[in-house]
Amino acid sequence: AQSVTQLDSHVSVSEGTPVLLRCNYSSSYSPSLFWYVQHPNKGLQLLLKYTSAATLVKGINGFEAEFKKSETSFHLTKPSAHMSDAAEYFCVVISDYSSASKIIFGSGTRLSIRP
Amino acid sequence: GAGVSQSPSNKVTEKGKDVELRCDPISGHTALYWYRQSLGQGLEFLIYFQGNSAPDKSGLPSDRFSAERTGGSVSTLTIQRTQQEDSAVYLCASSPGLGIADTQYFGPGTRLTVL
Repeated sequence: AQSVTQLDSHVSVSEGTPVLLRCNYSSSYSPSLFWYVQHPNKGLQLLLKYTSAATLVKGINGFEAEFKKSETSFHLTKPSAHMSDAAEYFCVVISDYSSASKIIFGSGTRLSIRP
Repeated sequence: GAGVSQSPSNKVTEKGKDVELRCDPISGHTALYWYRQSLGQGLEFLIYFQGNSAPDKSGLPSDRFSAERTGGSVSTLTIQRTQQEDSAVYLCASSPGLGIADTQYFGPGTRLTVL
């Protein structure tokens, strides 16, 4: 069975400091992993995705994530937070490609940025 | 180009009434998804279309929920005899239809409130 756990429901950092949003998954097979961002009253937007190529994935707006199979993790990082990064972030895992119902969304992490 | 659009953006209805939610996907996208997002929760899969057919309806919570897609484009999600627990944001997404691991492009959602 597959599942995804976002370890923090809320993360608060100061502007200019690093961001770490944690995601752990369980998967029977080689997974595809995604991070989406949702700004207030907007739809979700893809930040980055891992689909079995390079384990360090670079995305938009300076975000990156590293696939660590041994730790079953796909944490999202950014070296320096910006006020515009305040949003909800969702980690997504797919390891069963038989159906769209097997796309599993995490419960989300709300990122707040302090001036 | 135009993204995914949804209408209405907000809908307030009385318990027991029927509602229709509309989704206009990105032109040329053959796959279309409906999700429900409740406060503080991740996304709950409802239904998936490939073209006009729905190979996976497994997420529809009850027989009060139905969806159709016509012309391989616009989709409507209908909720009959609405209940207070149906209150949520309903999100639609589309993708090129290359596979389950496609990037999904989300609309801004319809916020449904059932009084």
